[in-house]
Amino acid sequence: EVELVESGGGLVQPGGSLRLSCAASEVTFNHYWIHWVRQAPGKGLVWVSIISLDGGTTYYADSVKGRFSISRDSAKNTLYLQMNSLRAEDTAVYFCARANNFAMDVWGQGTTVTVSS
Amino acid sequence: QSALTQPPSASGSPGQSVTISCTGTSSDVGGYNYVSWYQQHPGKSPKLMIYEVNKRPSGVPDRFSGSKSGNTASLTVSGLQAEDEADYYCSSYADGLYVFGTGTKVTVL
Repeated sequence: EVELVESGGGLVQPGGSLRLSCAASEVTFNHYWIHWVRQAPGKGLVWVSIISLDGGTTYYADSVKGRFSISRDSAKNTLYLQMNSLRAEDTAVYFCARANNFAMDVWGQGTTVTVSS
Repeated sequence: QSALTQPPSASGSPGQSVTISCTGTSSDVGGYNYVSWYQQHPGKSPKLMIYEVNKRPSGVPDRFSGSKSGNTASLTVSGLQAEDEADYYCSSYADGLYVFGTGTKVTVL
């Protein structure tokens, strides 16, 4: 089964930028839409964004629209999340997850983003 | 994009059943048969338990079942086992977007 591995998290100042990556172990990754989901410390899951097979269709949660941008590189079996104008409330573990049957059936281990001065 | 409403906690003794509700609106839960449920143990990634309201992925025990009535979906765990103690989240498709529930902590007494 495909494995997803997120990377790129770290400490960033408010107003800063960060790019997260999600690398898949199999080329079949390119046959699925992919989500980003985040979880603030001690809080629940929050859906962030989704991208289509060819990258041509994207959707965003209102809380990140205009600041975050999702993209994918099929040649590299990799998904990205460009995060700009970061705020303290963006502090969270960010997961990528495969979309299948309108659910999220394969999840990565997550990467931690901390926004603080 | 308001979170779906779940009870903060639920509990039961081993062998008993517990049911978790997930209440949304006609724009999400009530409008589509695309409700899914996730189990998350502390420090771990979520795991898909139910999709399309009542379907179980391969490998998920049949002790887990899902249903929906109107704007409310439910997850029932029958024959509770110690390993079922975890946080559970519902999620619904909503016209291109997705929304999660507030989460329910299930305790096995």
